[in-house]
Amino acid sequence: EVQLVESGGGLVQPGGSLRLSCAASGFTVSNYYLNWVRQAPGKGLEWVSIIFSGGNTYHADSVKGRFTISRDNSRNTLYLQMNSLRVEDTAVYYCAREISSSPSFYNPLDYWGQGTLVTVSS
Amino acid sequence: DIQMTQSPSSLSASVGDRVTITCRASQSVSSYLSWYQQKPGKAPKLLIYAASSLQSGVPSKFSGTKSGTDFALTISSLQPEDFATYYCLQTYSIPPTFGQGTKVEVK
Repeated sequence: EVQLVESGGGLVQPGGSLRLSCAASGFTVSNYYLNWVRQAPGKGLEWVSIIFSGGNTYHADSVKGRFTISRDNSRNTLYLQMNSLRVEDTAVYYCAREISSSPSFYNPLDYWGQGTLVTVSS
Repeated sequence: DIQMTQSPSSLSASVGDRVTITCRASQSVSSYLSWYQQKPGKAPKLLIYAASSLQSGVPSKFSGTKSGTDFALTISSLQPEDFATYYCLQTYSIPPTFGQGTKVEVK
C-alpha cells in the first residue's frame, strides 16, 4: 500500500529554518516525480517544489533561493529544507507523488500525505 | 506560467443536483489536467486524470471533459459526501498550477 507521511512542521520565527520530511512506503521514491504543495489557512493549493526521478529539481518563484527539495533514496524519504522563513510561508505542507511512469496518465498527483502545519510567527 | 481560471468559486446545490465546474487554461495544456476533491482538514484526493479518465475507486458519477483549453468536472447526482472543495491542476509545464478552487455547499 502506498503511503506518504509528513513530519517536521511546527512554529518558527520569521527568518528561521525548518526541514520537512515525507517518509514513503509502498513504492521507491527514486522512480517517481515527487512534489511539495502547500495550503495557507483558508486558501487554495499552491505548488512549491518538484524533484524528478532523475534528480533535477524546480521551485516556485515564491520560494526560490530559500527552499530546497531533496530525497534520500536509502531512507526512501523526501525532504524540504526551508530557510529564511516568512510569515507568508505559513501553511499546511503536503508531499504528493506524481505518476510519471506512463505518458497515458498525463502526470496527475495520485497519492498525497496528510500534511504538516508550518506556522511562521514571532 | 500557465493560468488556470476556475469557475465558479462557490456554488450552492441540493442532493441529487447535477453540478459542473469549469477550468480554462491560458494556453494549451494538452490533456495534462487533473481534478481533485478536498474536504476540510484532509489532503486532496485525485478524481480525474488525463482530463477525462476516472481514477481507480472513484465513483462513476464524476466525469471530466476537455474542449481545447476548456475543461469541466461534472458530478451527475450530488450526494452528501460530495460537498467539498474541488480543484483543477495542470502538470503540462513547470510550474504546475492549480485553479482557485470551487466550494460546493448545501443549498
